[in-house]
Amino acid sequence: DAGVTQSPTHLIKTRGQQVTLRCSPKSGHDTVSWYQQALGQGPQFIFQYYEEEERQRGNFPDRFSGHQFPNYSSELNVNALLLGDSALYLCASGGQGYSPLHFGNGTRLTVT
Amino acid sequence: SQQGEEDPQALSIQEGENATMNCSYKTSINNLQWYRQNSGRGLVHLILIRSNEREKHSGRLRVTLDTSKKSSSLLITASRAADTASYFCATDKISGGYNKLIFGAGTRLAVHP
Repeated sequence: DAGVTQSPTHLIKTRGQQVTLRCSPKSGHDTVSWYQQALGQGPQFIFQYYEEEERQRGNFPDRFSGHQFPNYSSELNVNALLLGDSALYLCASGGQGYSPLHFGNGTRLTVT
Repeated sequence: SQQGEEDPQALSIQEGENATMNCSYKTSINNLQWYRQNSGRGLVHLILIRSNEREKHSGRLRVTLDTSKKSSSLLITASRAADTASYFCATDKISGGYNKLIFGAGTRLAVHP
């Protein structure tokens, strides 16, 4: 039973570029959340997807967008990259209700 | 913004000792969860305590919750070098009918052999 998988594991981009990160949720999970974790900080909630719709969003600009596909997998897109976007991006999946989240190992994004 | 604040920010102990980490939060919650993160990797769920519970155990882990003080503690007994990791509390908040987790900044635990 595969857990949450994310790709790529590492990515280096230049300021102003665009990036797409991918996530496959744990089998049986239909909700995907994305988090940004800066070095030495806790994860910050970006947004959550369910039934292919964004249903909650954290305090992130519109440069951050996402998508969920019919198979529940998800993408996170970041446009016009800034140096401050350098972070570990974590995808988490869960079922309904107050179930614990299952996290992938993240994508380490470095913006130069 | 982060809901929870962990204390201490860093903790260094010897194998066999107990480790206690504290978490404070600001608003009412439905439940509180603790997660562990090994360096640069994903978070692993440890334990969930509901707002109507005061204490919960799981193996060497003991979690308490005091909703009147808006605080929680995680106790790891008989620590091992493999417990070295960052530990985060996360509060579960309902918004618009859907729940999301808000994490604190974490406690970095180092257990020395």
